[in-house]
Amino acid sequence: DARVTQTPRDKVTEMGQEVTMRCQPILGHNTVFWYRQTMMQGLELLAYFRNRAPLDDSGMPKDRFSAEMPDATLATLKIQPSEPRDSAVYFCASGLVLFGQGRGQETQYFGPGTRLLVL
Amino acid sequence: AQKITQTQPGMFVQEKEAVTLDCTYDTSDQSYGLFWYKQPSSGEMIFLIYQGSYDEQNATEGRYSLNFQKARKSANLVISASQLGDSAMYFCAMRGETSGSRLTFGEGTQLTVNP
Repeated sequence: DARVTQTPRDKVTEMGQEVTMRCQPILGHNTVFWYRQTMMQGLELLAYFRNRAPLDDSGMPKDRFSAEMPDATLATLKIQPSEPRDSAVYFCASGLVLFGQGRGQETQYFGPGTRLLVL
Repeated sequence: AQKITQTQPGMFVQEKEAVTLDCTYDTSDQSYGLFWYKQPSSGEMIFLIYQGSYDEQNATEGRYSLNFQKARKSANLVISASQLGDSAMYFCAMRGETSGSRLTFGEGTQLTVNP
């Protein structure tokens, strides 16, 4: 049963510290997404990659957030320095995009999320 | 741009009854996809069902069906024979040809199934 995995599941840190979240997409999927979920904003797309190349990071605060895919089996999201307003659940999702441009089902499968609390 | 509206913050249903969760959408795209996800209290996001804008038949997946009314721009989720395990937050989402692979989510509906 293929699943997206994320580590850590929970993270408590102090303001100013660096936070790194990791994601292993489903094998064979070519697109990886990072979402953030908060009570106030709901689910927001931060960034996504196709074939390891960043396609859209317009939802990500560039001054402190960075996302990378060092290889096809690992995506990372870093926050440096972290702030209390970054407290949220961060989801990674992956999908197989064959056509792009919204054609085809291209379902996104979500990982269990990383619950981040910045004190 | 796409917009999803879920007007029911909370819904209650008796076990074994059917329930409909409302979702309306707004887009100028001709080709788009509509999705429903379930988020139980454990927090994970579980994909339930998909409907493409050009699909002529309503999508069904087991006890889930999607009541797709294109002219009214609605994509309601119908859960038949509710079970206690169906208690969760349900999100409607869409992706359009001009948004690439970006999903736009609604605010969600909290469903509670009573025994």
